[in-house]
Amino acid sequence: KAGVTQTPRYLIKTRGQQVTLSCSPISGHRSVSWYQQTPGQGLQFLFEYFSETQRNKGNFPGRFSGRQFSNSRSEMNVSTLELGDSALYLCASVLAGSTDTQYFGPGTRLTVL
Amino acid sequence: AQKVTQAQTEISVVEKEDVTLDCVYETRDTTYYLFWYKQPPSGELVFLIRRNSFDEQNEISGRYSWNFQKSTSSFNFTITASQVVDSAVYFCALKSGRNNNDMRFGAGTRLTVKP
Repeated sequence: KAGVTQTPRYLIKTRGQQVTLSCSPISGHRSVSWYQQTPGQGLQFLFEYFSETQRNKGNFPGRFSGRQFSNSRSEMNVSTLELGDSALYLCASVLAGSTDTQYFGPGTRLTVL
Repeated sequence: AQKVTQAQTEISVVEKEDVTLDCVYETRDTTYYLFWYKQPPSGELVFLIRRNSFDEQNEISGRYSWNFQKSTSSFNFTITASQVVDSAVYFCALKSGRNNNDMRFGAGTRLTVKP
C-alpha cells in the first residue's frame, strides 16, 4: 500500500501571501490530521478531518484552515503568511477512529521570507 | 490536560552501546494510547510502537524494547546494541481514548550514534 503523500515537499513564500498544502492519505483511511513542527514549539496539532468534517481543532488562529474531499484527500490553507509560519507541516492518516495509529507523510517544508 | 515530557534533549552514544530514551506522560483519561515515532533527517515521522493504557506488558521488537509503567506514568524506549542508522530524533506521544486524533508529542530526544 502506498503511504501518505504530501505536496509540495518544499515551498517558499513571502509575508502576506497565502499557501495551500495537499495531503493524500493511505488508501482506505478516512481521517487526516495536520501538525505543525517548529524548532521552538515542537509538534503541534492543527486540526483533524473525518468524512469531510472537521472533527477536532488545535489552538491556532483562523488564518489556518483546512478541508477534506470525498476521496479523503485533504488540503490545508494558511492565509496572510507571517514569518513565524515557517515550519514543517506534517499530515497524518488514520483508518478511522481514535484507537487507530496515525501514519505520517514526509511533510511540506514552508519557508516564509 | 495532557502532557508528554522527554527530559533528554540529546543523547550521544558509541555504536553497540545500549541506550534508553525516557518518556513521562500526564493524563486524566483512563483510556489512552502511547506511541513512539522516529524522525530521521528526511523529516517523515516513522511509527515504531503503540500501547494502550490497559496493556502494561513490555514489548520487544528486535533491538528495540519498550517499558510501560502506569505507576510512574512512564513509557521508556531502549535500543540495544545501537547502530549508526538509529541516529534520529525520537518522539513519544500520547492520545486520549476519546473520539479524536489530537496527539500530544514530547519535545523529542535527538540520538546520535557514533561509529
